[in-house]
Amino acid sequence: DADVTQTPRNRITKTGKRIMLECSQTKGHDRMYWYRQDPGLGLRLIYYSFDVKDINKGEISDGYSVSRQAQAKFSLSLESAIPNQTALYFCATRAQVAGGPGEQFFGPGTRLTVL
Amino acid sequence: LAKTTQPISMDSYEGQEVNITCSHNNIATNDYITWYQQFPSQGPRFIIQGYKTKVTNEVASLFIPADRKSSTLSLPRVSLSDTAVYYCLVGAVWSRDDKIIFGKGTRLHILP
Repeated sequence: DADVTQTPRNRITKTGKRIMLECSQTKGHDRMYWYRQDPGLGLRLIYYSFDVKDINKGEISDGYSVSRQAQAKFSLSLESAIPNQTALYFCATRAQVAGGPGEQFFGPGTRLTVL
Repeated sequence: LAKTTQPISMDSYEGQEVNITCSHNNIATNDYITWYQQFPSQGPRFIIQGYKTKVTNEVASLFIPADRKSSTLSLPRVSLSDTAVYYCLVGAVWSRDDKIIFGKGTRLHILP
């Protein structure tokens, strides 16, 4: 079984709809992240969380909200989806380690299309 | 946050050694350098991480000069399956400002 899972894997929605993307991890890591990736571009950080009570904005948080329901679950919501939020969304986790930032583990991605 | 600069794309041939250089002129004292690989429609995958000098693992080597203002990822004897985007990231240890910034990466194309 995958360590970081994302649901749904694909989603088509309409402008103005509320949508939630979910991420679960079995790695026991404290830190979780949401990124979006547009074609030909790198990943941009939306939100990140150090633990259940500690959530922080990333580079592009406008139009998004998150919820850390448990150590293993981190959800991303689009309150009112718009077409320019069409992108590939990745969830990631990272453990706190000594001697370096450590490794991020990414989920398989959710492809979101907003019509 | 240290900004990184990488070539947009590179081509090489199977069996060759490929070196991808990343510039990070304003790297901070506590920053580490990390490289990720990404295949189309997949999440990035960790390749290697280092602080100074040279780090080697089973898939790559990372060379970091003494001034740490750049780093070079070396992929030995590449194959077609190494065609991917490679990202260089610079980030601090135990930083509460944990914004791990991905740039646009280097698109590596391996030719037969």
